Formats: sequence, structure tokens, C-alpha cells
Amino acid sequence: GESVGLHLPTLSVQEGDNSIINCAYSNSASDYFIWYKQESGKGPQFIIDIRSNMDKRQGQRVTVLLNKTVKHLSLQIAATQPGDSAVYFCAENTDSSYKLIFGSGTRLLVRP
Amino acid sequence: SAVISQKPSRDICQRGTSLTIQCQVDSQVTMMFWYRQQPGQSLTLIATANQGSEATYESGFVIDKFPISRPNLTFSTLTVSNMSPEDSSIYLCSARAGQGAEGYTFGSGTRLTVV
Repeated sequence: GESVGLHLPTLSVQEGDNSIINCAYSNSASDYFIWYKQESGKGPQFIIDIRSNMDKRQGQRVTVLLNKTVKHLSLQIAATQPGDSAVYFCAENTDSSYKLIFGSGTRLLVRP
Repeated sequence: SAVISQKPSRDICQRGTSLTIQCQVDSQVTMMFWYRQQPGQSLTLIATANQGSEATYESGFVIDKFPISRPNLTFSTLTVSNMSPEDSSIYLCSARAGQGAEGYTFGSGTRLTVV
């Protein structure tokens, strides 16, 4: 399939290590933030979200941290697996508009 | 969650021609969206398409270049008109089929190459 991450920054990690992917968002009025995973030839797939009144949320093997002071979002993936190799995007949204605005992405490469 | 079928999955077109991309959702949805993803970049919202009203375009995108139809609650089309090589990109359809962040679903995209 086509690669969507040819020119995106790449994070290379060893299988089993933890990964941290960062994102800077633009709108301080956004109500919630979402992390998506995009594999080659596919559309973005929902991973986890966090509302603006929270600073941390955990899912299965993933944790999202939100720092509203510096408008920064991070995704932590524990025990990274080869299947985690993909491009990861953050997106932000306001309750009133329903539009998803995507931030820059990061290509995650997991070394076996 | 809703499933989106988008076609064609890819096409190679001559400059000056137009291509219409179709997006079919397996359930009725109020809001649909069209995105462009240029090579190696993130997704940029082109427009929001709600049934029964004109599409709302984002800054930098105009109806003459990207006309959108939304004839019912399960279907939308995006046309890329008078194409140039700069239009080479992946075009993605999205729908808000449920509440909250998990309610958004995406098609697999259309890979357009203009020669």
C-alpha cells in the first residue's frame, strides 16, 4: 500500500520498549483531543481521546497526556509491538463545530 | 461503528480532466467530511457536507474546484475539477456516525495521481 509517512518525522524504537509520540496543538479552545493511527493504504483509526478538563487518560497499552499550558499532547505506547508501526496523528475538536483538525504526524517504526 | 466504502481506491488522470470520488456509509449519518492528505503530510479538511445544505468549505478550498454532493444520509461525492499535478494527493472521506471522538470513521482514501 501507499506510504503516507515518507516525509514525516520518524521515531524508531526497539520492540518491547516504550514509545512516546508528541504533538503540539493550535486551538486553546478545543474541547477534546484524539490520537489516530494510520497504516499504509488505510484511513485513520481511533486510538484514544482526552477531554480538555483532564490531563491524563489511560487505555490498553496507551496513555495520553495533555498539557494545556504549553498546548502539548503526547501518546505513550507501552511494550511497543511490530503491529504498532504506522503513522500517528493527533487531532483536536470543539463540541460546537464537530470538525476534526489534524496536527502533524509521526511515523513510528518498530525494530524487531 | 459505521463502515465507509470509498471508490475509486486510486486513479491516474490527465491534467485538465475531473475525477469524482464516491463515499458510501453503511448507516445514516448527518455529518460527512472530505480531507486531502498530500504526500508525507497530515490530513487537511476540505469541507463539511451535511445532507440538505450546501457544503461548507475551509479556507483555501472553493466549490468550483471541489464540488461536493450530498444527496442523502448515506452518500457523498467529491469532484476534483480541472486537475493539475498539484492535485496529486490522497483524498479521504469521513463521517460522524456516533457520539464523541470514537464516532468518527474514515474511508480508506483515494490515491490520485495527475499526469
